[in-house]
Amino acid sequence: AQKITQTQPGMFVQEKEAVTLDCTYDTSDQSYGLFWYKQPSSGEMIFLIYQGSYDEQNATEGRYSLNFQKARKSANLVISASQLGDSAMYFCLNNAGNMLTFGGGTRLMVKP
Amino acid sequence: EAQVTQNPRYLITVTGKKLTVTCSQNMNHEYMSWYRQDPGLGLRQIYYSMNVEVTDKGDVPEGYKVSRKEKRNFPLILESPSPNQTSLYFCASTGSFGSPLHFGNGTRLTVT
Repeated sequence: AQKITQTQPGMFVQEKEAVTLDCTYDTSDQSYGLFWYKQPSSGEMIFLIYQGSYDEQNATEGRYSLNFQKARKSANLVISASQLGDSAMYFCLNNAGNMLTFGGGTRLMVKP
Repeated sequence: EAQVTQNPRYLITVTGKKLTVTCSQNMNHEYMSWYRQDPGLGLRQIYYSMNVEVTDKGDVPEGYKVSRKEKRNFPLILESPSPNQTSLYFCASTGSFGSPLHFGNGTRLTVT
């Protein structure tokens, strides 16, 4: 069975600073994808970034980047220059085979 | 506009009264799935479907039914709802392995 672990239930970061949200995964599949989603207080799920298991470069999307360390099975999300609007829940998702598995989430709070 | 449409957004019902939450996508996606989100437990997969007439159990299928008679629709059926099914439900779809999940806006269900 797949397992995704997000070890930080909650985090604070000062506005304009960078923050790293941790995600480790456990899958026996060779081919898989890792996603990060943001869930603001309004409840919708917003796609942020994707990393494929065969991608050699770390994914980047604007202020978001993914620190992918395949040997360590980690896919940490880095948010640069935090903004107040980044305060939200963040979920890591693994797509392997027919299963999509979410981590438990990290609540990020950006302080002004 | 490409989207996943869930209805209703909010639903309050009583124990034992059958209900259906509808989900429809307009992106011709083959893969559709249902999740429930509970505090401290993250998102857990209820059922998923790889294509028309193909459905499989996720992590928490007990008490739920689904059907996939058409590609675009994937309703979630609670034949006899119970209070432990009070939760936030999301429908999602994707077209391929490396593509992000598109989520509906969620259905907040309360069973009294």
